[in-house]
Amino acid sequence: AQSVTQPDIHITVSEGASLELRCNYSYGATPYLFWYVQSPGQGLQLLLKYFSGDTLVQGIKGFEAEFKRSQSSFNLRKPSVHWSDAAEYFCAVGMNNNAGNMLTFGGGTRLMVKP
Amino acid sequence: DSGVTQTPKHLITATGQRVTLRCSPRSGDLSVYWYQQSLDQGLQFLIQYYNGEERAKGNILERFSAQQFPDLHSELNLSSLELGDSALYFCASSVDSLNSPLHFGNGTRLTVT
Repeated sequence: AQSVTQPDIHITVSEGASLELRCNYSYGATPYLFWYVQSPGQGLQLLLKYFSGDTLVQGIKGFEAEFKRSQSSFNLRKPSVHWSDAAEYFCAVGMNNNAGNMLTFGGGTRLMVKP
Repeated sequence: DSGVTQTPKHLITATGQRVTLRCSPRSGDLSVYWYQQSLDQGLQFLIQYYNGEERAKGNILERFSAQQFPDLHSELNLSSLELGDSALYFCASSVDSLNSPLHFGNGTRLTVT
């Protein structure tokens, strides 16, 4: 069964600083990988996705993520954080087979941004 | 705005009761998914429907059931409610049942007292 680990429960960065959120997955085949963001009182919004091809994927709001098969990782990065990026971030791995399209989510990383 | 509509936003009920949560998917999406989010369990996949048929099942309790109607809206029924069922219940939709991204509604917060 697939699983997703986000090692950092909380991260605090200063506004303007760079950000990297870690995600490690366990899945037997080529994974479909996603990053979602959840603001308070809101649903999850898709930031970016990786299906195949270029291992560096660009998303919305200036985020990018790099798929590293050898490390089973899909870390999310942003070169300069804005105060509005404070939210909870979820990494997810998709298992797509004839049984359906089930996403398994990591436990989330709560990002706080210092002024 | 994701285009996925969930009602009600909040629900407070007592143990032993039954509630129904409703979800309207984005226009054109055929798949609907239900997720439960709680502090101790995180985001847990419950069930997926595709064009009216159950497609995948996750950690859904026997007290819970769901269906997708011909107009593609979906309902999640929770019965014999327990305190531990208090959570945020999210609906998501996607174009198909394959690897298309999920679009989430804003959730229904269920409080069982």
